[in-house]
Amino acid sequence: DVKVTQSSRYLVKRTGEKVFLECVQDMDHENMFWYRQDPGLGLRLIYFSYDVKMKEKGDIPEGYSVSREKKERFSLILESASTNQTSMYLCASSLLANYGYTFGSGTRLTVV
Amino acid sequence: RKEVEQDPGPFNVPEGATVAFNCTYSNSASQSFFWYRQDCRKEPKLLMSVYSSGNEDGRFTAQLNRASQYISLLIRDSKLSDSATYLCVVKRNQGGKLIFGQGTELSVKP
Repeated sequence: DVKVTQSSRYLVKRTGEKVFLECVQDMDHENMFWYRQDPGLGLRLIYFSYDVKMKEKGDIPEGYSVSREKKERFSLILESASTNQTSMYLCASSLLANYGYTFGSGTRLTVV
Repeated sequence: RKEVEQDPGPFNVPEGATVAFNCTYSNSASQSFFWYRQDCRKEPKLLMSVYSSGNEDGRFTAQLNRASQYISLLIRDSKLSDSATYLCVVKRNQGGKLIFGQGTELSVKP
């Protein structure tokens, strides 16, 4: 089975801090994605990547950046954390464009 | 208008009931369709893909109506373990991005 691992289950950070969320997948998948999930809003796509060093903006990229230096790792960066970035962050990967995703277990980030 | 819309529920049903979830999508060029299941405080997991001809997996049946841009999920003989949020998911025609509905919450009671 594909495993997608997110480095932290829970994080608490202060406003203005730079925050790194790490995601690693172990099945050589080309495609990786970062979503955030909020009550009443569902999952919203932040950034995605189809290959190493490649990134594309999703629907809500403002306040975020990403890094994909290696195929298996896709990092989400909050340049200066704000309270409205308190959310559940979910990383996902897929082998091909038409396949479903495999999600990591999520990181619940609280910005205080 | 949201690209994928679902009735958020909650749907409260007794064990053994049949329950149906509906979903509409606005982008007529959407190519692929899925239902995901998400348990409380867990990540979403793929339940089943949805094909134009309709498809069945045990107690679960998925239907797609491209003309009406409508997707459905039918669960027969509901079990307590079916309690979860069911997410309707659509793939846009560009790339592999999946667009998620808000989810429909199901609670199956004894």
